[in-house]
Amino acid sequence: GIQVEQSPPDLILQEGANSTLRCNFSDSVNNLQWFHQNPWGQLINLFYIPSGTKQNGRLSATTVATERYSLLYISSSQTTDSGVYFCAVVLKADSWGKLQFGAGTQVVVTP
Amino acid sequence: EAGVAQSPRYKIIEKRQSVAFWCNPISGHATLYWYQQILGQGPKLLIQFQNNGVVDDSQLPKDRFSAERLKGVDSTLKIQPAKLEDSAVYLCASSPKRGLYNEQFFGPGTRLTVL
Repeated sequence: GIQVEQSPPDLILQEGANSTLRCNFSDSVNNLQWFHQNPWGQLINLFYIPSGTKQNGRLSATTVATERYSLLYISSSQTTDSGVYFCAVVLKADSWGKLQFGAGTQVVVTP
Repeated sequence: EAGVAQSPRYKIIEKRQSVAFWCNPISGHATLYWYQQILGQGPKLLIQFQNNGVVDDSQLPKDRFSAERLKGVDSTLKIQPAKLEDSAVYLCASSPKRGLYNEQFFGPGTRLTVL
C-alpha cells in the first residue's frame, strides 16, 4: 500500500525560529492535507494542497505532486505551534477518497 | 458554520463492555468517515459513508464494531464487546462529497479507555 513518510519525527524549536516539515508519499495522489493536532487531540485543518503553494499567516505549504512530496513551513514559531503535524493523502486509485496519514512530526516550541 | 460534533468526549469502560459514539457532520456534507487513532500513530479509517450507504468498511473489525448512518446525517459507532486494544481516540470527519477532491473536516474526537 501507499507509504506516507514524515520527517523529522520530532522537532524542538526556540520561539521565533523557522522550520520545515517534509512529507513524502509513494504513489500518485488526488488530495493532500496538512493538519495540526493540538494537545487536546483536535485535528485542525491547515492546508488543502494537492499541488502548488499556499500561505496562511506564518504558515505556508508547497506540494510538488510529480515528485511526490510536500513541505510545510513554520516561520517565527510560537509556543502555540506546539503539537503534532500530520500530512494525509488520498490515492488517485481510491474511488472514495479516504485519507491515509503519516506518523506525524511532534513539534515542541520552547519560550 | 458549525463544525463536526462528537459525543461523548471521553469514555472509560471495562473490557467486554459495550460503548457507543455519536457524530453529527457539518450540515450538508454527504460523506462521513470514522477514523481510529491509537496513541503515537496517525488516524486510520474504520468506515466511510456516502449519504446513508457504506462505501468502505474494509478496516472495520466487524466481529465487534458496527456503525450506522440511518438518515444520511448523524452517525453512531458501536463497539461490543470492547477489548483492551480498542483504547484509542475515535475521530469523525465529513466532506461535502467524496473525499477525492474535497477537504475533510474533523470533530474533536472521543477518547476511549478500556480497562
